[in-house]
Amino acid sequence: SQTIHQWPATLVQPVGSPLSLECTVEGTSNPNLYWYRQAAGRGLQLLFYSVGIGQISSEVPQNLSASRPQDRQFILSSKKLLLSDSGFYLCAWEHTGEGQYFGPGTRLTVT
Amino acid sequence: TQLLEQSPQFLSIQEGENLTVYCNSSSVFSSLQWYRQEPGEGPVLLVTVVTGGEVKKLKRLTFQFGDARKDSSLHITAAQPGDTGLYLCAGWGAGNMLTFGGGTRLMVKP
Repeated sequence: SQTIHQWPATLVQPVGSPLSLECTVEGTSNPNLYWYRQAAGRGLQLLFYSVGIGQISSEVPQNLSASRPQDRQFILSSKKLLLSDSGFYLCAWEHTGEGQYFGPGTRLTVT
Repeated sequence: TQLLEQSPQFLSIQEGENLTVYCNSSSVFSSLQWYRQEPGEGPVLLVTVVTGGEVKKLKRLTFQFGDARKDSSLHITAAQPGDTGLYLCAGWGAGNMLTFGGGTRLMVKP
């Protein structure tokens, strides 16, 4: 069966510090991978998606970046965090047209 | 940009009551999905509807896809406290991307 992992689960970082969130998928190959951000109790904002290694598409201009160094690894980064980067970050995988399967999320608080 | 609007945004009901959540758009979607999310966790896929007019049932939950594939509804019969959560609809549309609605937060009081 497929599983998706995210870490860390929670993170408190000062403004201006760097960020690295990691997502890995097991039990499937060549998945589409996604990073979303969710405001409290609301819908999901798509940040990045990837259809293959090294292929990254950005949906929202911001100070965040993403990388996919391996087929089942997706990383969200920032060089300098802003207060507005606080939120709940979710990674998801899918095979095109089927449902998306989400990780447990990372709660990021920028202070 | 394809948008999905969910209504209501918030719903608080007593155990045993029925409810309907709506997901509407002016755009056509090839398929539509419903997810449920509990606090501090990722959304979990409940159902995918593909054909216009399609109705799917999952125990006390009934999902319907509009004939024109622009809207969908989720009906819960005899709601229970365990149904509490954030319900999200999401549609596959142009550009082969999944668009999420803003969510409906449901609270079922015992």
